[in-house]
Amino acid sequence: EADIYQTPRYLVIGTGKKITLECSQTMGHDKMYWYQQDPGMELHLIHYSYGVNSTEKGDLSSESTVSRIRTEHFPLTLESARPSHTSQYLCASRGEGGGWEKLFFGSGTQLSVL
Amino acid sequence: GQQLNQSPQSMFIQEGEDVSMNCTSSSIFNTWLWYKQDPGEGPVLLIALYKAGELTSNGRLTAQFGITRKDSFLNISASIPSDVGIYFCAGSSNGNEKLTFGTGTRLTIIP
Repeated sequence: EADIYQTPRYLVIGTGKKITLECSQTMGHDKMYWYQQDPGMELHLIHYSYGVNSTEKGDLSSESTVSRIRTEHFPLTLESARPSHTSQYLCASRGEGGGWEKLFFGSGTQLSVL
Repeated sequence: GQQLNQSPQSMFIQEGEDVSMNCTSSSIFNTWLWYKQDPGEGPVLLIALYKAGELTSNGRLTAQFGITRKDSFLNISASIPSDVGIYFCAGSSNGNEKLTFGTGTRLTIIP
């Protein structure tokens, strides 16, 4: 059973608001990832981290930013939300030396920007 | 960038039927994975493949790593209602920290 949690599960917010999506894991995993997914479509990597104080941009350009101050916590922030940011955001983690079969996903945050 | 194309895009089958779907890549991968995603949830791993030609089973599911390393296949035998969902392939290259996901196959079971 994977211990990776995302909050909130659903968020409806107005344009221009600053939002932070939370992701926490209790497995001590070094590597964490954020994916963006439109309904029924493929997942696109937007950010990842190798460990504390490490953040990298993924394949899909995103206006969001991330931070990794603690191993267990990898929040994603949008400074000014827009309707184009409406999507599902999935967080994942895996341990050092773990193959891709050790990648675990959270349940996601469904973001709607009005 | 790397692209993974899955087919079919959607399938409508009756309970008890067998299902086949595949995934093709424009480049070589050294790892192939198959995931299932239910509505409102994150993907859950079904099968991981690490060697060209490898054939691996997980209950009623069987997946194969193509010899060319540019494709993979997933079969589900004797489908049941809980098989409904979206199936994604994913691949990774050597030394690449990124996992590329396919376009998905939506499976629906007709009563």
